Amino acid sequence: NAGVTQTPKFQVLKTGQSMTLQCAQDMNHEYMSWYRQDPGMGLRLIHYSVGAGITDQGEVPNGYNVSRSTTEDFPLRLLSAAPSQTSVYFCASGEGQGNYGYTFGSGTRLTVV
Amino acid sequence: QQQVKQSPQSLIVQKGGIPIINCAYENTAFDYFPWYQQFPGKGPALLIAIRPDVSEKKEGRFTISFNKSAKQFSLHIMDSQPGDSATYFCAALFSGSRLTFGEGTQLTVNP
Repeated sequence: NAGVTQTPKFQVLKTGQSMTLQCAQDMNHEYMSWYRQDPGMGLRLIHYSVGAGITDQGEVPNGYNVSRSTTEDFPLRLLSAAPSQTSVYFCASGEGQGNYGYTFGSGTRLTVV
Repeated sequence: QQQVKQSPQSLIVQKGGIPIINCAYENTAFDYFPWYQQFPGKGPALLIAIRPDVSEKKEGRFTISFNKSAKQFSLHIMDSQPGDSATYFCAALFSGSRLTFGEGTQLTVNP
């Protein structure tokens, strides 16, 4: 099993450009979420999903969109990139239903210039 | 608003020492308290976790102590090794789907 796969690993964007960060999991997990990691701030929740067709906002959702059309995939879209969105982005998945462990991907390092 | 506070920000110990990392939370509705270990260039990996109705949990060299009344929990690493050098995050899970992380502790274990 591959676990949680994120692509790309690195990306440089110009201010105002849009892009989609991809996340796929092969563990049939119901719960998926996106976090951003900034120095000294831990990881902050952007958006999350508790199943296909269900998404909700986390702590820092502004400037990001998500959708969940399948159990396996949970893409994160940056609508109009800003330098403040320079960060490392992590996708995670969990079984839910009383099993509280989450598996994280290896991250996407995004730089907005 | 940081709902989980973690300290210290960095920690240096000698091999065999017992580093202790502390966390405090605000929301009494959290239902699970995991610790994650992260190596440079990698995603966080679940290390050990505890439910709020348990006061202590041990897995190998790692122990969580949990004080529900004080809303605090801590990670102890027994007989620390240089391979334990990493960043450690405490976290709190709400409603099974929302993880709130502490700021992280960079641990260095010197040989």
